[in-house]
Amino acid sequence: NAGVTQTPKFQVLKTGQSMTLQCAQDMNHEYMSWYRQDPGMGLRLIHYSVGAGITDQGEVPNGYNVSRSTTEDFPLRLLSAAPSQTSVYFCASSPSGIHEQFFGPGTRLTVL
Amino acid sequence: TQLLEQSPQFLSIQEGENLTVYCNSSSVFSSLQWYRQEPGEGPVLLVTVVTGGEVKKLKRLTFQFGDARKDSSLHITAAQPGDTGLYLCAIPPTGTASKLTFGTGTRLQVTL
Repeated sequence: NAGVTQTPKFQVLKTGQSMTLQCAQDMNHEYMSWYRQDPGMGLRLIHYSVGAGITDQGEVPNGYNVSRSTTEDFPLRLLSAAPSQTSVYFCASSPSGIHEQFFGPGTRLTVL
Repeated sequence: TQLLEQSPQFLSIQEGENLTVYCNSSSVFSSLQWYRQEPGEGPVLLVTVVTGGEVKKLKRLTFQFGDARKDSSLHITAAQPGDTGLYLCAIPPTGTASKLTFGTGTRLQVTL
């Protein structure tokens, strides 16, 4: 099993560009989530999904979109990148919201 | 929204020293998870504590859940450089929420 995979590992964008961060899991987990991690801020939840076709907002959803068309994939879209979105992004999956979260290796995003 | 406070925020110690980090909330929670995040990687679950007063040991790491279920501690005996990382606590959702809440973390540096 690959677990949770994320691509790309690094990305540099210019302000106003759009892009999609990919996340996939092969553990048949229903619950998937996206976090951003900034120095001194811990992990902040952006969006999450409790199953295919169902998504909801977390603490910091503005500027991001998600969709969950399959159990395996949960892409995160930045519509118009801003320097404030410079961060490390982690995708996680779990059998449910209360169980152990399995994290991907992260995507380090810089917006110039 | 439950808030989780972790202390200290940063800790730099020498190999062989003992240390304790804390996770506190103003609310009672049903269980608590501890994660460790090594530099450049995603967090990995260390342990889940579920019973008030519970103590769990993982080699040199001792986890305790407060009797009142509002706090937890992680004690490391004879710290090693491999213990370096960010230690995060997380609590499960309450009410209608369906997502974990993470603390801000304690960043530990163990030097030779």
